Amino acid sequence: DAMVIQNPRYQVTQFGKPVTLSCSQTLNHNVMYWYQQKSSQAPKLLFHYYDKDFNNEADTPDNFQSRRPNTSFCFLDIRSPGLGDAAMYLCATRGTSANNEQFFGPGTRLTVL
Amino acid sequence: AQSVTQLDSHVSVSEGTPVLLRCNYSSSYSPSLFWYVQHPNKGLQLLLKYTSAATLVKGINGFEAEFKKSETSFHLTKPSAHMSDAAEYFCAALRSSARQLTFGSGTQLTVLP
Repeated sequence: DAMVIQNPRYQVTQFGKPVTLSCSQTLNHNVMYWYQQKSSQAPKLLFHYYDKDFNNEADTPDNFQSRRPNTSFCFLDIRSPGLGDAAMYLCATRGTSANNEQFFGPGTRLTVL
Repeated sequence: AQSVTQLDSHVSVSEGTPVLLRCNYSSSYSPSLFWYVQHPNKGLQLLLKYTSAATLVKGINGFEAEFKKSETSFHLTKPSAHMSDAAEYFCAALRSSARQLTFGSGTQLTVLP
């Protein structure tokens, strides 16, 4: 089945130790998103790619970077995780037809010790 | 600017009774509207979407929602709650010219036995 896959599902890192979260998709969608979701809150968009065109949200901290080497894969790099970065990180994809919904992956739960 | 307001942060119902989760949107145009469900430690799953076709939209798991332009509402309903419906529900709006979803703050649904 076509899907959005996130690895790992659970990630533990230490304060200040870089970490990379990965997302892959078999939907061949042009648009890929990274969201941060803290407990009992709505997902917050960090950035998105339209093909290789990178779009950063204005309030996304510089600590967060992203790479999209090809259509299928997208990575979220957190250069120096702080305790406040502990959250669920959701990847989503969307096709380019009007009104297409976003398809979400299962998320990666990041713990910062 | 568009915004999405979910009027209740928590809703509790008894199993077998109706469910009503309220969502209002604020926009100068008719956006595409979505309801997503999120179970603990999982990604968001699309329940249904409105894209300017029929105003009554049927989704998965017996849920439906009615778009009411005069009330700027898109409330989610289900005639009979099941224990498995207990989850967080997010209403979201997509402007057709944009790529981003605007999420409501979420409603936690509890189903009591």
